[in-house]
Amino acid sequence: AQKITQTQPGMFVQEKEAVTLDCTYDTSDPSYGLFWYKQPSSGEMIFLIYQGSYDQQNATEGRYSLNFQKARKSANLVISASQLGDSAMYFCAMRPNYGGATNKLIFGTGTLLAVQP
Amino acid sequence: GAVVSQHPSRVICKSGTSVKIECRSLDFQATTMFWYRQFPKKSLMLMATSNEGSKATYEQGVEKDKFLINHASLTLSTLTVTSAHPEDSSFYICSAKVGASGGRGKLFFGSGTQLSVL
Repeated sequence: AQKITQTQPGMFVQEKEAVTLDCTYDTSDPSYGLFWYKQPSSGEMIFLIYQGSYDQQNATEGRYSLNFQKARKSANLVISASQLGDSAMYFCAMRPNYGGATNKLIFGTGTLLAVQP
Repeated sequence: GAVVSQHPSRVICKSGTSVKIECRSLDFQATTMFWYRQFPKKSLMLMATSNEGSKATYEQGVEKDKFLINHASLTLSTLTVTSAHPEDSSFYICSAKVGASGGRGKLFFGSGTQLSVL
């Protein structure tokens, strides 16, 4: 079964500190894409970072990096130097079989991050 | 990044009425758009894939006659919730794919529509 698991319903972090949001996935497809999205209280989904299953290096986008451990099927998001504006819900998502025709994203249940001053 | 505009952001309607939600790609053409539904404190669930010029593809368990999708142009997809009932109250969000074919194309999301059916 294809599934995304986020085991942390909520996290606190002090401003300026780094935080890791956990994500594990399950798929039998050899090729897939992994995504992280941020959803502030306003509701929109903001794309943060993408990792392809065949990418040799971990993806980085500014303060965001993805700790991709393929053998463990984990794709943790690391946010460095947390800011108050980072407080939001974070969703991990997977697009299985990305070389094929499907465009379906499978989402985890999300992690609510609260950055404290 | 690419801009996907969704309208309205919030709608309150009476039970039995129909509600139309629009999703527009503002600075790119989107042959494929996606409609998701999100319950409070829950994940997003894909409802259907909207293809320009053809019928939408619905996920298992989603009523086609309840959630009508039209993708008449490369920049506009609409979701109509017909004969809405309180259980249809939810946050609906659309997305469109930008860029490379296959998996590397990124999905950008609209700002969502909070539907409340009284």
